[in-house]
Amino acid sequence: DAKTTQPNSMESNEEEPVHLPCNHSTISGTDYIHWYRQLPSQGPEYVIHGLTSNVNNRMASLAIAEDRKSSTLILHRATLRDAAVYYCILRPQTGANNLFFGTGTRLTVIP
Amino acid sequence: NAGVTQTPKFRVLKTGQSMTLLCAQDMNHEYMYWYRQDPGMGLRLIHYSVGEGTTAKGEVPDGYNVSRLKKQNFLLGLESAAPSQTSVYFCASTEIGVRSYGYTFGSGTRLTVV
Repeated sequence: DAKTTQPNSMESNEEEPVHLPCNHSTISGTDYIHWYRQLPSQGPEYVIHGLTSNVNNRMASLAIAEDRKSSTLILHRATLRDAAVYYCILRPQTGANNLFFGTGTRLTVIP
Repeated sequence: NAGVTQTPKFRVLKTGQSMTLLCAQDMNHEYMYWYRQDPGMGLRLIHYSVGEGTTAKGEVPDGYNVSRLKKQNFLLGLESAAPSQTSVYFCASTEIGVRSYGYTFGSGTRLTVV
């Protein structure tokens, strides 16, 4: 299974944009890039996903490099409620679609 | 719409005791999963099911058994609990066929084995 690499931790000031990077140099052509976040004492929550093109939804934006070997999750205005662990995960299009979690990036939002 | 519901939310077991964790989803999802999360770590897949009556092993299946007798329920059993099974357990489900959709997770069961 293709692996992802993320920084262990990042900090952001409240109401500023946050760019969370993810490297996935062994991604296959059919893997979707998924992002989840886990708030303290809660289960993971789906944030966004994409294949090749950049994606936007109400929670965040996902920027995917042209070679698909990296991606960036963008939170446009960080709030205290965005403090969480963010996971970048590759989801195969075939098989049981198992998600393999790494240790993610712990985002701290400073008031 | 309740999504994924896990029961119980907390449990303390003595070494050697058995218990069953229940996961129920009301979204008619075909695929269901059990994960465990140890302190400071990401989630690891224990077992999963791609449909009613089917189960398969994940990354860390030893010491656990599962059953999917009904489509909406996925049970995780510990036959003889060990302290190494102290963890937070998460259940998840997802749709079949539309492979780009996200998982829906439950809120977790915190299990302590003493």
